[in-house]
Amino acid sequence: KNEVEQSPQNLTAQEGEFITINCSYSVGISALHWLQQHPGGGIVSLFMLSSGKKKHGRLIATINIQEKHSSLHITASHPRDSAVYICAVREGGATNKLIFGTGTLLAVQP
Amino acid sequence: DAGITQSPRYKITETGRQVTLMCHQTWSHSYMFWYRQDLGHGLRLIYYSAAADITDKGEVPDGYVVSRSKTENFPLTLESATRSQTSVYFCASRGQGLGFYEQYFGPGTRLTVT
Repeated sequence: KNEVEQSPQNLTAQEGEFITINCSYSVGISALHWLQQHPGGGIVSLFMLSSGKKKHGRLIATINIQEKHSSLHITASHPRDSAVYICAVREGGATNKLIFGTGTLLAVQP
Repeated sequence: DAGITQSPRYKITETGRQVTLMCHQTWSHSYMFWYRQDLGHGLRLIYYSAAADITDKGEVPDGYVVSRSKTENFPLTLESATRSQTSVYFCASRGQGLGFYEQYFGPGTRLTVT
């Protein structure tokens, strides 16, 4: 069993829909990251959070440390949101290495 | 240019050949990382470096060699390439200390071993 599980693996939505991507993890962490990878490969960081909720534009990330679960929400989805969304958890310790989920492929259709 | 760059962006090589992938960052970040990305797997850590001349193995180090003689460069060498090393390779870097936990990724190198 992977230490970081994402669901769904694939998601197709219509423009304007509210989207939720889930991430569950089984290890102790110091923080959780959400990343976005567009076609063509570039990976950018969206959020880093260790508790509660963060919002940036139409994106909202939440984390429940007790339940070892995080969600990424996209409100009013747009075709330009189409990408792979990756959850990664940061281990504690000196190196703070990341453990990655396998990603959720989102396609938003106009 | 500022940021983190990788070269080459695409590489095709034959089984048994030595290949070196380059990574360069301009932020003077202490930490640098090499990952590979394959279908069905998340990004997997190959090697990382906490500073110049300090490197350590990640999750999948076999068949790879790294060095870090300068802070800004972190080359990854496949000593004798195998087909199983066909993958997309990402380099990343981050600073050291509290508040410097975000990793910045290079654009990736798509490597095909025939």
